Amino acid sequence: GAVVSQHPSWVICKSGTSVKIECRSLDFQATTMFWYRQFPKQSLMLMATSNEGSKATYEQGVEKDKFLINHASLTLSTLTVTSAHPEDSSFYICSASASRGLAGVPVSYNEQFFGPGTRLTVL
Amino acid sequence: GDSVTQMEGPVTLSEEAFLTINCTYTATGYPSLFWYVQYPGEGLQLLLKATKADDKGSNKGFEATYRKETTSFHLEKGSVQVSDSAVYFCALSGLEQAGTALIFGKGTTLSVSS
Repeated sequence: GAVVSQHPSWVICKSGTSVKIECRSLDFQATTMFWYRQFPKQSLMLMATSNEGSKATYEQGVEKDKFLINHASLTLSTLTVTSAHPEDSSFYICSASASRGLAGVPVSYNEQFFGPGTRLTVL
Repeated sequence: GDSVTQMEGPVTLSEEAFLTINCTYTATGYPSLFWYVQYPGEGLQLLLKATKADDKGSNKGFEATYRKETTSFHLEKGSVQVSDSAVYFCALSGLEQAGTALIFGKGTTLSVSS
């Protein structure tokens, strides 16, 4: 139980294009999802907190018009990198906090479950 | 604000050696503490956690004890294996509830050779 998927797992795009990354909780409902960015050999930097049905809360220094986050349902949050540039190349990781298990799957309610990450390369 | 400090890596060990990765934290209140592991090219996996002082988290031979008096949560393993090679992150959560972001340390790379 408590599986989080991300799609795509890797993407290569041209500079100036937009890229959408999906984060799904497969067997639980997640009121809150988090988006992190990780540079090579560095820690995870929290970009934003995404709550279902409301606007995301962005961390200081993160451009909300550049990184659009939508949390349209209790199992899906998307991150769109708009007009991507080479400096946006990074490993993007999402995580989700469970608010309810699905199909009888027990979940821990004070734990974050991480997706496998998406490697974005902008040429 | 809350923060996590962990020892600089990389840590290089031979198989069956003893491992310690130090982690200290600064937080108001009573945070929950976590160790996550990241294998190359993958996302993070929870290794162990502790939610209150003197709790010991353990998993796969790894242990860490929540020490409030020293604000520490050091990760230990008695005998490392090559398969333990990964990046280890110490993290804290200020509130024990869903919807609270984690604060991560910078990560420590462990490399184990046979």
